[in-house]
This record gives sequence, C-alpha cells and structure tokens, in this order.
Amino acid sequence: DTEVTQTPKHLVMGMTNKKSLKCEQHMGHRAMYWYKQKAKKPPELMFVYSYEKLSINESVPSRFSPECPNSSLLNLHLHALQPEDSALYLCASSQEGSGRSEQYFGPGTRLTVT
Amino acid sequence: GESVGLHLPTLSVQEGDNSIINCAYSNSASDYFIWYKQESGKGPQFIIDIRSNMDKRQGQRVTVLLNKTVKHLSLQIAATQPGDSAVYFCAENTGTASKLTFGTGTRLQVTL
Repeated sequence: DTEVTQTPKHLVMGMTNKKSLKCEQHMGHRAMYWYKQKAKKPPELMFVYSYEKLSINESVPSRFSPECPNSSLLNLHLHALQPEDSALYLCASSQEGSGRSEQYFGPGTRLTVT
Repeated sequence: GESVGLHLPTLSVQEGDNSIINCAYSNSASDYFIWYKQESGKGPQFIIDIRSNMDKRQGQRVTVLLNKTVKHLSLQIAATQPGDSAVYFCAENTGTASKLTFGTGTRLQVTL
C-alpha cells in the first residue's frame, strides 16, 4: 500500500470556525509532512514530523496547529483562519525525515476560508 | 516552444515527441533531487530522483540529468503521451535541513 489518504477532500470554513485536516499512511514511514500550495505555485513546507516529534516548523502562524497522534496519523488543526489561508493542503510521508528520500503525497484538502 | 512570464512556464510538445523540462538550482550544497508530476486536482506524484554523486539516471521513459557545474537539472520524457500533460516540479534537498525545496514548476502540454 503506497497511499497517503487525506480527509476531507474539500472544506469551507468561516474565520471563526475550528476544523481539522486528517492524514493517514500505512507504509511504515517515520516522517510526515504538511505542505500548503496556492494556485500555480509549488508546495511550500509547513511542518515536518520525524518519529512522531515535530522537527521542523517553517514559521507557520499559530492558527495552524499540527498533531501527530501516532506514526500513521497526522492532523492539522485550524482556528481563526484568514481568507488568504485558502489553498490546497497536502500531506506527505517518507521512509525517514532527512529530506533525502522520496516523499509520497496525498491528494490534498482544498480549503476555502470565507 | 517554452514561454516564461507572469504565469507558470509552459512547454508544448506534440504527441510522440521527446520533452525536456529544465530546472536551475542555486545551492551548490544540494545533494538530492527529485522530479514530481502534478495533475490537476491531485497531489504531486514521484517520477524519479537522483543523488549528487550521479550525472544521469534512467527510469521508464524518463531520464534525469544533473549538471553540478552549472547547477542544472533536466527531465527528459521519451515519446510524450497525452497522459504526460501536467505540471512538473523539481525539488532539492540543500543538505543543511531535513526538507525538500520545490522549484517554480513547468506546465507540459501535449498536443495531438
């Protein structure tokens, strides 16, 4: 199974809402990632978890809160977002977290903040 | 031909022709490179990778060339098919952080 799954596929939320994005992989990978992608732009790294510990936070605003409950799951908790946070949020996983191995991406969650 | 402007650079090729997508990187310390393909509405899909101790690597219908002297990476697709139409991103690991940095991307359009 070489699949990374993400739920939901689409999410519309108001600026006062709290929601969560979920990501799951069953490849035994020990590193998981959150990326943000705006239209016609490359993915931008947000967070890296390695062995269930947060190893990289790319100065992401605190309204985004990641969580790694176990080695297969990754969540992104959203609170008080701004319209400019509307984007495709991609989850990825890799064998290890050195950045020198293939990252498998999920299909993404299309987030719209109204 | 290839065009660069305010929009995503686009490469148009005819079905059956070979495609060459280029990527320049700026960090001479980068030691690992990946090419990804992203179709509309999907996440990036791994195509091929190469480490800095190699100049060339081949996969099925794809070849990646690495020129460390001029910090240039290219992806060659043989006998391009309509299903190859997508945005292609190169990504590099700079060696100083555990992360990949993506290039700006090139849209490949395959015409019949």
